[in-house]
Amino acid sequence: DVQLVESGGGLVQPGGSLRLSCVGSGFSFISYSMNWVRQAPGKGLEWLSYISSSSGTIYYADSVKGRFTVSRDNAKNSLYLQMNSLRGDDTAVYYCAQYMNVWGKGTTVTVSS
Amino acid sequence: QSVLTQPPSVSAAPGQMVTISCSGSNSNVGSEYLSWYQQLPGTSPKLLIYDNNKRASGIPERFSGSKSGTSATLAITGLQTGDDADYYCGTWDGSLNAWLFGGGTKLTVL
Repeated sequence: DVQLVESGGGLVQPGGSLRLSCVGSGFSFISYSMNWVRQAPGKGLEWLSYISSSSGTIYYADSVKGRFTVSRDNAKNSLYLQMNSLRGDDTAVYYCAQYMNVWGKGTTVTVSS
Repeated sequence: QSVLTQPPSVSAAPGQMVTISCSGSNSNVGSEYLSWYQQLPGTSPKLLIYDNNKRASGIPERFSGSKSGTSATLAITGLQTGDDADYYCGTWDGSLNAWLFGGGTKLTVL
């Protein structure tokens, strides 16, 4: 079965940093582009970042550009999201998605003092 | 405010049919493939429809998608209480180089 498992969420103070990870299994990770999407409490889905299979093409939503950095390690079947300068409105469940077809269960990030 | 527009809520009785609309523009819905997602309470989104009208693996024929111009529609027939969920449309925007989601539609099966 195709599976994505996110980790790295937690409680962080405003201005702090966090690194999220997503490990894929059950599919050829190197063949797929990947995305990060988040969902604030009680809100809809917000796309954050896209990374192509080779990492050659990367896009970010305006809301995180300059603060978040996406990367991947195909040898480890892993996707990452480095989040810096975190703010209260970054509080959300963060999902990784294989292209936009298969989603993980998410990891929760809470930004609060 | 989302670039893709969906009704905030729809409702219907069990066994009936409901449609959910998704409206965009030429740079997204009008020129890119559209997907639909179902999010049951407390769970992650699940792909229902991709490439405008193709059902994802394991999705029953009760779910169907269509697209015309800059609008798309998700239709669900034979409603069941288990269909109570939030539904999102999503597509790439070639001008923004960004993936867009609709604001989501809460389906209530009365």
